[in-house]
Amino acid sequence: GAGVSQSPRYKVAKRGQDVALRCDPISGHVSLFWYQQALGQGPEFLTYFQNEAQLDKSGLPSDRFFAERPEGSVSTLKIQRTQQEDSAVYLCASSLAGRDHEQYFGPGTRLTVT
Amino acid sequence: RKEVEQDPGPFNVPEGATVAFNCTYSNSASQSFFWYRQDCRKEPKLLMSVYSSGNEDGRFTAQLNRASQYISLLIRDSKLSDSATYLCVVGLRRTYKYIFGTGTRLKVLA
Repeated sequence: GAGVSQSPRYKVAKRGQDVALRCDPISGHVSLFWYQQALGQGPEFLTYFQNEAQLDKSGLPSDRFFAERPEGSVSTLKIQRTQQEDSAVYLCASSLAGRDHEQYFGPGTRLTVT
Repeated sequence: RKEVEQDPGPFNVPEGATVAFNCTYSNSASQSFFWYRQDCRKEPKLLMSVYSSGNEDGRFTAQLNRASQYISLLIRDSKLSDSATYLCVVGLRRTYKYIFGTGTRLKVLA
């Protein structure tokens, strides 16, 4: 079956631009996570959704970061007024209800802010 | 101090060798433990869960020591295809957060 997909795969933004990153989770997966992975580091938790409810956004680094999942399926991570330190790979993962540890990751969006 | 610490490596080992990685965690709310594998420029994939009783999956054995707050992964009879970064992951009690270590890079050499 289809895995988690993310788009775009690569994004170059000028500093100060807004960007929107999309995640299509595996159909039927209730849980959805966003992570930020800098070069040479492990993924860092950003936020968590259970269906359409954003239950944890403690990892969002600033109020420039915003995530939504309005219908409990597709999710969008928006970054406003991008800064160079936002350059990273943004990973989305989904999982079945009650199996949050078994996360299926998408290929990521590599964001470069120039 | 990072909540989950790993030796970044790289560990360069010959094919057929046995190699072990450790990971230490510091958050007392840590309640679940996992190893993920990440190939270069690819997404992470769950390798195995880690239990206090230890668990084995083929050539891979994972152990948890709650008293010392460390997790280990042992790979026996290394294959070239085992070359990857191994990420130690901790789930925290009463949150939805999973904390990833920086990963340990393994290179298995022919």
